[in-house]
Amino acid sequence: SQQGEEDPQALSIQEGENATMNCSYKTSINNLQWYRQNSGRGLVHLILIRSNEREKHSGRLRVTLDTSKKSSSLLITASRAADTASYFCATPGAGNKLTFGGGTRVLVKP
Amino acid sequence: GAVVSQHPSWVICKSGTSVKIECRSLDFQATTMFWYRQFPKQSLMLMATSNEGSKATYEQGVEKDKFLINHASLTLSTLTVTSAHPEDSSFYICSAPRGLGAGAGELFFGEGSRLTVL
Repeated sequence: SQQGEEDPQALSIQEGENATMNCSYKTSINNLQWYRQNSGRGLVHLILIRSNEREKHSGRLRVTLDTSKKSSSLLITASRAADTASYFCATPGAGNKLTFGGGTRVLVKP
Repeated sequence: GAVVSQHPSWVICKSGTSVKIECRSLDFQATTMFWYRQFPKQSLMLMATSNEGSKATYEQGVEKDKFLINHASLTLSTLTVTSAHPEDSSFYICSAPRGLGAGAGELFFGEGSRLTVL
């Protein structure tokens, strides 16, 4: 079963707007990761946030982590059409295997 | 950055045939590789962990005789779908951590292989 639950499942925004997606998980973690997948392609690692970090930035990406609520959010600021993709959160589990959330499909309309 | 190459990117086969998918780490050694399966508009489901020099470990519900995994070297893992059936049609993706052991850091993914079984 999936460790992470993401919402929304799908998001449609205009170019220039911000996109926010959330991820909840169930067990204790030492880090949480976000990945991006373009349609029909492999996944690309975006950012890793450790359990002792509350916020992390990378370019137009901002990730937060609230371990007390077992949740994380990914914010994409000033979105572009090229940001259209599916975004997944992932958490390491037993044997350090990554388990992925259900994903959020983001459509950025030009 | 680290590169993982997966081949073929797509394959169409007849029911009952076997299909082999290769996953190579191009610029680093991977003692562990992970094989995932993804259905349309769904998330990735871990199928098995490929271990160089030892047997793969399979997730619950994954038939090891159906999905044969071989980790022949530190840069190559193969997944063979044996006696493929239409329900095996899916997107298969491999990944590898860069570093010792399985690690809990980032994974580097291949581009995926879309299998269609007629």
